[in-house]
Amino acid sequence: GENVEQHPSTLSVQEGDSAVIKCTYSDSASNYFPWYKQELGKGPQLIIDIRSNVGEKKDQRIAVTLNKTAKHFSLHITETQPEDSAVYFCASFSNRDDKIIFGKGTRLHILP
Amino acid sequence: DSGVTQTPKHLITATGQRVTLRCSPRSGDLSVYWYQQSLDQGLQFLIQYYNGEERAKGNILERFSAQQFPDLHSELNLSSLELGDSALYFCASSRQVREGTIYFGEGSWLTVV
Repeated sequence: GENVEQHPSTLSVQEGDSAVIKCTYSDSASNYFPWYKQELGKGPQLIIDIRSNVGEKKDQRIAVTLNKTAKHFSLHITETQPEDSAVYFCASFSNRDDKIIFGKGTRLHILP
Repeated sequence: DSGVTQTPKHLITATGQRVTLRCSPRSGDLSVYWYQQSLDQGLQFLIQYYNGEERAKGNILERFSAQQFPDLHSELNLSSLELGDSALYFCASSRQVREGTIYFGEGSWLTVV
């Protein structure tokens, strides 16, 4: 079946450095790619998203890039801060079957 | 605050028992999703409803069932509970089916002892 692979599963970066999380999707009909941040004991929150007609989108310190040809999309967090520590999930939505598929998540640790 | 409300927030129950988790979607949202998240695990899709009708089914056990009511709130029923059912259960909602943006509630922590 269709799936989304997310890497790495765990990522530790020094405060102030950048973090990159990568995802690969398999369904060529996928046209929307949201990213969620889940803090401890809370529900996932949408932090940024990108549609298939756009290659990059930025919102302050976070950005998402999409390579449709390679079926890759990535989350970039610059100037990381302690509050960025969380689990991040990528997802892809396909309008072929109206399904949203999540990656397995990346646990991001920001080291002091 | 996403606008999705889940109750109860925490629940402890014994094996073999039955519980009901409740979800109120965001105002105006017609689609409701249920997910299960075990410790250090990802989001396992259970089931989706749209405007009262079952829309999609994931890895939902036969011991589990759900429904969406005319006022669009949803309930997830878990029966014959086992220790392995201990998890965080999330409800999410979206405006339409053809919309990839879904908004999650804060979850219901279920502990089976």
